Amino acid sequence: SYELTQPPSVSVSPGQTASVTCSGHRLGDKYVCWYQQRPGQSPVLIIYQDNKRPSGIPERFSGSNSGNTATLSISGTQAMDEADYYCQAWGSNTVIFGGGTKLTVL
Amino acid sequence: EVQLVESGGALVQPGGSLRLSCAASGFTLSSYAMTWVRQAPGKGLEWVSGISGSGVSTYHADSVKGRFTISRDNSKNTLYLQMNSLRVEDTAIYYCARVDRGYGSGAYLDHWGQGTLVTVSS
Repeated sequence: SYELTQPPSVSVSPGQTASVTCSGHRLGDKYVCWYQQRPGQSPVLIIYQDNKRPSGIPERFSGSNSGNTATLSISGTQAMDEADYYCQAWGSNTVIFGGGTKLTVL
Repeated sequence: EVQLVESGGALVQPGGSLRLSCAASGFTLSSYAMTWVRQAPGKGLEWVSGISGSGVSTYHADSVKGRFTISRDNSKNTLYLQMNSLRVEDTAIYYCARVDRGYGSGAYLDHWGQGTLVTVSS
């Protein structure tokens, strides 16, 4: 079955750019979404179709997808961005999530 | 405003059954596919089941196939998850989520409920 791999944790200093990766075989051939989940809250869609932002999502969130890796970038990272981030793609009528990455803003 | 409100979570013994509900408002339920996603304590997201807008097509993860059944009643604006033969490893928060842009490549889970806790324990 298809798998998506994310690093368990990423650290970033406030104001810097954070990058969270998501890897899978020929992932660039699929559309990737990203979800943010703050502690005790439900997931929120922040990127869809590789690089599109839903309304209300700050411009500092961006996405890319090529080859075997999709990347979520957060520019000018703020304390409020500290959360778990999940990538997601589709299998054959199934939803596939990466294992999640905990972003720590130091 | 789109709202999804789950209910039905409870403490149940292994081998027991439970039916979760997800009440939808603020949009026409029949126009959207829907999914259930769960999250075990301290763990990541796991897709459980999906259903087309009409309810004709349903899909389940291998881990729940044959035990869980997703269904919907568009006239009642409600999504369901019937869970039978529950196991300790089914313990999780269960979220319902709306699927926008069809079902499959290019689609995305654009709205999520607050979740309902299912605990399977003796």
